[in-house]
Amino acid sequence: QQKVQQSPESLSVPEGGMASLNCTSSDRNFQYFWWYRQHSGEGPKALMSIFSDGDKKEGRFTAHLNKASLHVSLHIRDSQPSDSALYFCAARNMGYKLTFGTGTSLLVDP
Amino acid sequence: GALVYQYPRRTICKSGTSMRMECQAVGFQATSVAWYRQSPQKTFELIALSTVNSAIKYEQNFTQEKFPISHPNLSFSSMTVLNAYLEDRGLYLCGARDFTGGLYAEQFFGPGTRLTVL
Repeated sequence: QQKVQQSPESLSVPEGGMASLNCTSSDRNFQYFWWYRQHSGEGPKALMSIFSDGDKKEGRFTAHLNKASLHVSLHIRDSQPSDSALYFCAARNMGYKLTFGTGTSLLVDP
Repeated sequence: GALVYQYPRRTICKSGTSMRMECQAVGFQATSVAWYRQSPQKTFELIALSTVNSAIKYEQNFTQEKFPISHPNLSFSSMTVLNAYLEDRGLYLCGARDFTGGLYAEQFFGPGTRLTVL
């Protein structure tokens, strides 16, 4: 079973809407989290990182981390068609290995 | 800025043959390079983690005999897929970072090499 599970598998939101993506890990050794975005035909690119409990906001993107429940979320407000992509949560343990989640496919309808 | 290039972008090989792919980091020191395979279903599998001047650590189900990796300096790494078969198809991604940034250091990815096996 994947150590980092994401939900939903796919998500469709209207342009200007809010997209909410979730990620839960099953390994308490994961302490450092990133959200990556992958557009078709490209490699994944880091959107933002979060290492401490609470919220972190960067522009239209807000990440939330709750280490006690091993839950990370990403919220995209004012979603744009260019936000349509695959989104991956990635977690790192003390051994430097970066483990990717199962991914969420986001479609923003213009 | 930090960039990672991968060559070739796409390759097709016959079943049982081998192919080599390359990864080049520009704008930062790639002290650590991770090779991943992304399946057609988009899930990631870590193949191995290479750190300059240290042994390469392969993940379960991946071996040096099948996926030999070279990481000779702070900007270049290569991996060969030996004796490729249908189950080896996928997008091979190189993720590089400067481990002097510690556990907070971002991993930068290239666009990948897409392997098709006939």
